[in-house]
Amino acid sequence: GAGVSQSPRYKVTKRGQDVTLRCDPISSHATLYWYQQALGQGPEFLTYFNYEAQPDKSGLPSDRFSAERPEGSISTLTIQRTEQRDSAMYRCASSEAGNGELFFGEGSRLTVL
Amino acid sequence: AQSVTQLDSQVPVFEEAPVELRCNYSSSVSVYLFWYVQYPNQGLQLLLKYLSGSTLVKGINGFEAEFNKSQTSFHLRKPSVHISDTAEYFCAVSLSGGYNKLIFGAGTRLAVHP
Repeated sequence: GAGVSQSPRYKVTKRGQDVTLRCDPISSHATLYWYQQALGQGPEFLTYFNYEAQPDKSGLPSDRFSAERPEGSISTLTIQRTEQRDSAMYRCASSEAGNGELFFGEGSRLTVL
Repeated sequence: AQSVTQLDSQVPVFEEAPVELRCNYSSSVSVYLFWYVQYPNQGLQLLLKYLSGSTLVKGINGFEAEFNKSQTSFHLRKPSVHISDTAEYFCAVSLSGGYNKLIFGAGTRLAVHP
């Protein structure tokens, strides 16, 4: 697509529910990133993919968080048994390899009640 | 490990005045440096980047930044701001030669007043 697309834009869920966020990157981009941004903070790295491989998931805060990119294109971020502290903006970005520029989507704002 | 400190959480300024947004980083190895801007209800957009070469980097919308290795700084400047520059600005660092895992600062909210 023309830009990075994320869905849903807003998600409100109850504590304990599972949520899945979706990212559709720019079609020519090999690399895809997930970031978490708390209110008043900068984005924090969660994980990244190079095509379907996931070389670094060091930023995932717990084993309740997982991400997939099975065909090297669309990616999903799943949070199981959500907690209130998971409330944040989740940002996806994609890039061509090695040129230092990430293209960000508009983000998915998650609120856990 | 790398880290980024943005020294000002908010910067108010009048239209047509100059502005400087400060950014310091820490790293024991060579890094790439970036400034991203976030307009309300939009995603982050690259303003400019330093990878190598000239330490003065020019970006979009009249912004520029200077890489100062001895002071580990990468401050963002604009000689004359417009109302439309009101946004949140993020400084970021990544390892040079790496896969672009960006470490962001906490952001500086620039508010331009008429």
